[in-house]
Amino acid sequence: GAGVSQSPRYKVAKRGQDVALRCDPISGHVSLFWYQQALGQGPEFLTYFQNEAQLDKSGLPSDRFFAERPEGSVSTLKIQRTQQEDSAVYLCASSLVPSQETQYFGPGTRLLVL
Amino acid sequence: GENVEQHPSTLSVQEGDSAVIKCTYSDSASNYFPWYKQELGKRPQLIIDIRSNVGEKKDQRIAVTLNKTAKHFSLHITETQPEDSAVYFCAASGLRHTGFQKLVFGTGTRLLVSP
Repeated sequence: GAGVSQSPRYKVAKRGQDVALRCDPISGHVSLFWYQQALGQGPEFLTYFQNEAQLDKSGLPSDRFFAERPEGSVSTLKIQRTQQEDSAVYLCASSLVPSQETQYFGPGTRLLVL
Repeated sequence: GENVEQHPSTLSVQEGDSAVIKCTYSDSASNYFPWYKQELGKRPQLIIDIRSNVGEKKDQRIAVTLNKTAKHFSLHITETQPEDSAVYFCAASGLRHTGFQKLVFGTGTRLLVSP
């Protein structure tokens, strides 16, 4: 079946612009994760959804970052007033149920803030 | 919180040699340890994982070992091939109070296999 998809794959933004990144998890997957991967680094946890509920947002770097999953399927990560330090790859992952360890990753959105 | 360290940061081997990547973790409550392979511009792909009730797991040319007492785990790739060239990430997780597995990743190892 279809894996996790993300759009856009690449995004160039001018500093100060708002951006919205979309994640389509595997159909039926309850758990959804967002990660930020800086160049040459491992992914770092941003936030977690169980269905539509955002249960953990401890990794969001600032209040400029906002995520939602209103119907428990597609999720959007929004970054307001982008800064150069926001440049990174944003990865989405999903798992079938919260206790399942295996997470399936999307291809990521590469964000470049100029 | 959990902290995962990974070594080496780069590893160059000749085709056919073995490659070993090592990780340590800090949280004794972690009980799941996956390894992901990430090719340039691609998504991380799970290649093998191990749970804390097992000391070793093998899948063809890939094996992972876990030492819970020392809090370290290692990835072993035998008979390396050029297509094994990629960045490898280790990770650790355990069920949090909210009941989900939060992965904490190492910083990655760039493996280069020369023909």
